[in-house]
Amino acid sequence: EVQLVESGGGLVQPGRSLRLSCAASGFTFHDYAMNWIRQAPGKGLEWVSGISWNSDNIGYADSVKGRFTISRDNAKNSLYLQMNSLRAEDTALYYCAKESPARYCSRTSCSFDSWGQGTLVTVSS
Amino acid sequence: DIVMTQSPATLSVSPGERAALSCRASQSVSINLAWYQHKPGQAPRLLIFGASTRATGIPARFSGSGSGAEFTLTISSLQSEDFAVYYCQQYNNWPSTFGQGTRLEIE
Repeated sequence: EVQLVESGGGLVQPGRSLRLSCAASGFTFHDYAMNWIRQAPGKGLEWVSGISWNSDNIGYADSVKGRFTISRDNAKNSLYLQMNSLRAEDTALYYCAKESPARYCSRTSCSFDSWGQGTLVTVSS
Repeated sequence: DIVMTQSPATLSVSPGERAALSCRASQSVSINLAWYQHKPGQAPRLLIFGASTRATGIPARFSGSGSGAEFTLTISSLQSEDFAVYYCQQYNNWPSTFGQGTRLEIE
């Protein structure tokens, strides 16, 4: 069974940093691209960042580009999101999500077939 | 970015009845459209990919249709466990984008 467990969320002041982690199990982690998706209070889902299986391809939403850095450690079956210069609008529940197998994808993007339960990030003074 | 618009925002339906949820894209996304179910405190669950293909383990009462820019998720004979928020996602263009969700509630 696929399991994705996020950690590292919390209350942080504007301008400060936070590092999220996602521990993966139940599948061959190094075979799949991974993503971070967030949901602000009362809002819908927003894709934040994604990383290919070998870290060669990385993408960010415009809203976080230059502030957030995604990375992975395939030896540890772990995904990370380093969040710097945090803003109030970054307040959200952050989900780790596994990309679906290639047959569930287009040439440019994918659906997400497994998600964690999320870790809450609150940016407030 | 492609904008996904879901309607209605809230849908009230009685158990045992049928529900139809709509999703519209601001431009064609071919059939690269997924639907997710999301319950409070739980991880979102992939229901449909490729606009109409059910993901593994998804009951047959869930069906998806459409192509291009207009899509529908139909849930026949609603069960109590189906009341949740449903999101559509296009993955035809980068970045993938989600609709704002439809809350399916018990009438």
